[in-house]
Amino acid sequence: AQSVSQHNHHVILSEAASLELGCNYSYGGTVNLFWYVQYPGQHLQLLLKYFSGDPLVKGIKGFEAEFIKSKFSFNLRKPSVQWSDTAEYFCAVNAQGVQNTGFQKLVFGTGTRLLVSP
Amino acid sequence: DVKVTQSSRYLVKRTGEKVFLECVQDMDHENMFWYRQDPGLGLRLIYFSYDVKMKEKGDIPEGYSVSREKKERFSLILESASTNQTSMYLCASSGTSRGYTFGSGTRLTVV
Repeated sequence: AQSVSQHNHHVILSEAASLELGCNYSYGGTVNLFWYVQYPGQHLQLLLKYFSGDPLVKGIKGFEAEFIKSKFSFNLRKPSVQWSDTAEYFCAVNAQGVQNTGFQKLVFGTGTRLLVSP
Repeated sequence: DVKVTQSSRYLVKRTGEKVFLECVQDMDHENMFWYRQDPGLGLRLIYFSYDVKMKEKGDIPEGYSVSREKKERFSLILESASTNQTSMYLCASSGTSRGYTFGSGTRLTVV
């Protein structure tokens, strides 16, 4: 079965520090990759997504992610974090669902809680 | 903007009760999903539906069922609520663009 691994469960940074959150997936076929963010008390929001093309994807709020196919990775980065980036971050990958429909379901990692201290 | 609306933000139910969680989307999306979110476990797929009256089990369907009588509505049913079903439940929908939109969640407590 497809799976997504997020290696860091909790990350604590000071403001202006650089951020990199790891994400690896296990799936041998073509993938669509996503990073979602959940701010305290809010619903999941899409940060960025990769479907095809340039493997370096830029998202909202200064985030970017790089798809490295040979490493099955899609790490999230931000050069300088802010206190407002405190949130939980989820990596997700499309996985094949029902046979013959082309339908794809989203499989999530366990999430990384980021705390940015002012 | 696509909107996914979950009928309740917070629910408290007793063990053994039958519980209905409702989700409505307004963008004519074919695909709808129910996930539960638990600390340290991320989001786990309970059931999904790719068409009206069609449903497929996700990774943790035990103790749950779903109903999709209309395209815009996808209901999650806890046949007999148990304390281990205390969780945050998230509904999502997606269309052909393969993007997913999530509702704001229902925090269910079973006592």
